[in-house]
Amino acid sequence: QFVLTQPPSASGTPGQRVTISCSGGTSNIGNNPVNWYQQLPGTAPKLLIFGNDQRPSGVPDRFSGSKSDTSASLAIGGLQSEDEADYYCAAWDGRLHAYVFGPGTQVTVL
Amino acid sequence: EVQLVESGGNLVQPGGSLRLSCAGSGFMFSKYWMVWVRQAPGKGLEWVANINQDGSQEHYVDSVRGRFTISRDNAKDSVFLQMNNLRPDDTAVYYCARGGSAPGEYWGQGTPVTVSS
Repeated sequence: QFVLTQPPSASGTPGQRVTISCSGGTSNIGNNPVNWYQQLPGTAPKLLIFGNDQRPSGVPDRFSGSKSDTSASLAIGGLQSEDEADYYCAAWDGRLHAYVFGPGTQVTVL
Repeated sequence: EVQLVESGGNLVQPGGSLRLSCAGSGFMFSKYWMVWVRQAPGKGLEWVANINQDGSQEHYVDSVRGRFTISRDNAKDSVFLQMNNLRPDDTAVYYCARGGSAPGEYWGQGTPVTVSS
């Protein structure tokens, strides 16, 4: 159903490093930049990473992105309680001519 | 300060129509792609449509193609989403966002659309 796949959940204790994967194909991640969004409950999404590994101004450097072939990852280093949110990867899909989001990963801070 | 403010969301019966608006400020509106994204209750984000800087290119998710139309008025720094033949599964909060090299760097607060009889 989803062109991009993500694990439904991830968790860690404060200070831990958490990694979220995003898997796609050649028509999306393989040939286009990946972007990551954070959505806190009841709020609009926030751009966390663009262009695979770039952080917008104001995003802490403990958030980092990477891409290899048709997969991408978001890493949260030094997990904090305020990082509890849903995280979405996204990329343009050249075959569908559409911007596709992954299903989202809910991050819980234990 | 960049701001995007959506309006036009409402309760509408199946088969009805709505027109959403999004007013931008604090940036050169005419230089950016603009995007509509929606989120159904308890669900994830779904890209709906986008439009290029001069309105000559539009793209739609398959589920709305032929029913929704995105447009823009650069003189009024606004983007619109005309939604026709609405269905219950169109029920969602609709967000507009600024496109470009950092797509979604700025989002509106969202406007709710409920399609129900």
